[in-house]
Amino acid sequence: GESVGLHLPTLSVQEGDNSIINCAYSNSASDYFIWYKQESGKGPQFIIDIRSNMDKRQGQRVTVLLNKTVKHLSLQIAATQPGDSAVYFCAERGGSQGNLIFGKGTKLSVKP
Amino acid sequence: NAGVTQTPKFRVLKTGQSMTLLCAQDMNHEYMYWYRQDPGMGLRLIHYSVGEGTTAKGEVPDGYNVSRLKKQNFLLGLESAAPSQTSVYFCASSYLAGRQRDTQYFGPGTRLTVL
Repeated sequence: GESVGLHLPTLSVQEGDNSIINCAYSNSASDYFIWYKQESGKGPQFIIDIRSNMDKRQGQRVTVLLNKTVKHLSLQIAATQPGDSAVYFCAERGGSQGNLIFGKGTKLSVKP
Repeated sequence: NAGVTQTPKFRVLKTGQSMTLLCAQDMNHEYMYWYRQDPGMGLRLIHYSVGEGTTAKGEVPDGYNVSRLKKQNFLLGLESAAPSQTSVYFCASSYLAGRQRDTQYFGPGTRLTVL
């Protein structure tokens, strides 16, 4: 079946360090992937996306890497700040109706 | 622009009661979605709409109904609430076609407790 999973449910990093959040997906036909950030008590907020014809995409302090060979997606956050503390979700478009399928999320905690 | 808004923010129901959650967006998006979020389960799609007057079932539609009478509004109804419907409900919207269709913008959520 289709699924999106995460290797680590929690991640704790020191302020200023780089963070890497991983995500595995099982549907090789998925053609679009998104990362969302969700702060406590708020709705998910779009961070960055990538299409399956790309391997890497960069935004401001964030980079998404896509490895289609092993069906792996990662989000890299440079110089992690306390404001980056949140739950991060990956999502793939691979459902039968073309809708997004969300992973369970990774909680990122930034230590000052 | 307010983006995506949801009403109410919190609600407590007794088993068997009914209620309607309202979602509104001012971005002229064609697609709208209702998700529920439970601990350890991520976001699961309940129902969605590809345009005014249309609705479709998502992953977990049972016990819910929806209506999209106006393009900017998407209503989620619970006819007879059950404790299993205790959750946080999120509405989202996206553009119709092309790449931007896939970027879903979320509302702040409604926390529902069914006793």
